[in-house]
Amino acid sequence: DTAVSQTPKYLVTQMGNDKSIKCEQNLGHDTMYWYKQDSKKFLKIMFSYNNKELIINETVPNRFSPKSPDKAHLNLHINSLELGDSAVYFCASSQDVNNEQFFGPGTRLTVL
Amino acid sequence: DQQVKQNSPSLSVQEGRISILNCDYTNSMFDYFLWYKKYPAEGPTFLISISSIKDKNEDGRFTVFLNKSAKHLSLHIVPSQPGDSAVYFCAASVLNTGGFKTIFGAGTRLFVKA
Repeated sequence: DTAVSQTPKYLVTQMGNDKSIKCEQNLGHDTMYWYKQDSKKFLKIMFSYNNKELIINETVPNRFSPKSPDKAHLNLHINSLELGDSAVYFCASSQDVNNEQFFGPGTRLTVL
Repeated sequence: DQQVKQNSPSLSVQEGRISILNCDYTNSMFDYFLWYKKYPAEGPTFLISISSIKDKNEDGRFTVFLNKSAKHLSLHIVPSQPGDSAVYFCAASVLNTGGFKTIFGAGTRLFVKA
C-alpha cells in the first residue's frame, strides 16, 4: 500500500501551458505539503495545508495554486509554465508532533 | 539565506566503518531536527530525529548528536553498510502558527564501499 502517492511521475510540457500534479495520502494525516527540489538539489517548502486550510505559503509565484478538496488530497496547479519551473516536486504529509514527514515519490516536471 | 547547511556534498566510507554526516544551522528557534534518507527516483524517507532539548538520540545503527551551543548536529552510522549509500538530508523544524515549518539542507551523498 502506497502511503503518499503522486501522479504523474513524469511531466513534460511546453512553456505557457497549465498543468496539475495530484497527491493523495492514505495515512490519515492532517497536514500535507508541497516541496520543490531544484537543480541544486535543495528541497524547499512551497505550501503546507492543515485540515484543508492553507497554513504555510512561501514566496511562490501566484501561478502556483494548491487545492485541497479533502484532508487526504493536496493537488498543485501551475498556470503559464516557465522554464524555471522545471524541477522535481514532492508531496508529503505528517501527523506527529515531531513533524516526521512521509514523502511521495516525486513528480519530475520538465518545461521545454 | 541557508538556515540549514550541509557543507559536504559527498562522503565515501568503507563498509563496516563509521559514517559521520554533519549539519550546521543558524536559527536558534528550531524545535526539532531530523535526518532523511533518499534513494534515486524516490522521495526522502524519515530516518531519525532529535528534540532541541536533547543532545543524543539513538536508533539501532543510527545516532544523532545535537550541540546547541555550536548549532551543529551530526548523524553517525555504525557499522556502515552498502545499502546505506544514499543522499542524506538534514532538516530543522520550527513551530509556527498552524504547524511546523521544515527547512532542509542541500544533502550529503554517502557512498559505502564494499
